[in-house]
Amino acid sequence: GAVVSQHPSRVICKSGTSVKIECRSLDFQATTMFWYRQFPKQSLMLMATSNEGSKATYEQGVEKDKFLINHASLTLSTLTVTSAHPEDSSFYICSASRGEYEQYFGPGTRLTVT
Amino acid sequence: AQSVTQLDSHVSVSEGTPVLLRCNYSSSYSPSLFWYVQHPNKGLQLLLKYTSAATLVKGINGFEAEFKKSETSFHLTKPSAHMSDAAEYFCVVSDLNSSASKIIFGSGTRLSIRP
Repeated sequence: GAVVSQHPSRVICKSGTSVKIECRSLDFQATTMFWYRQFPKQSLMLMATSNEGSKATYEQGVEKDKFLINHASLTLSTLTVTSAHPEDSSFYICSASRGEYEQYFGPGTRLTVT
Repeated sequence: AQSVTQLDSHVSVSEGTPVLLRCNYSSSYSPSLFWYVQHPNKGLQLLLKYTSAATLVKGINGFEAEFKKSETSFHLTKPSAHMSDAAEYFCVVSDLNSSASKIIFGSGTRLSIRP
């Protein structure tokens, strides 16, 4: 149990366009979902924390107007990168929690902005 | 505040020899600790976790880790390395100051296996 999926697994978009990434908990209800960004050969950086039905809490330095997070249900959170630029190219990973300290991670989404 | 330090950015061992990946944590209380593995361009897979039960934790793929409070360590070990163990390993500690189940990642250790 505790499977988290992400869609798409990889996406290429043109500079200036927006792209949406979905994160779903497939077999449990997630009280909290997290979005991370990972640069090559680096650790994961927490971008934001979201609870179903409420606004996401963004980490310092993360632009909330650029990285829109919607947590519409207990099984779905979306991250929209608005007006994407090449520097937004990265590996984005989501995770979901059932209220305990363990987080269940999705397989990640590779975003390339050309 | 909680923090986690992975002492080695890169570890290289020969196939069939023991693996030791070091992790030290800082916490005011007994934290929850995790080890995750990440293969190239993949998500994270949980290897094992410590949540205040037995101090020696056995995980998947022959890995284990021992929680040593006196040394504030949670080193990951495996008796005999396999080529498929080559990956990035992250030590993670629970963020006790957060009410939202946040966790803190170490900087990662890249494990290479020599044939």
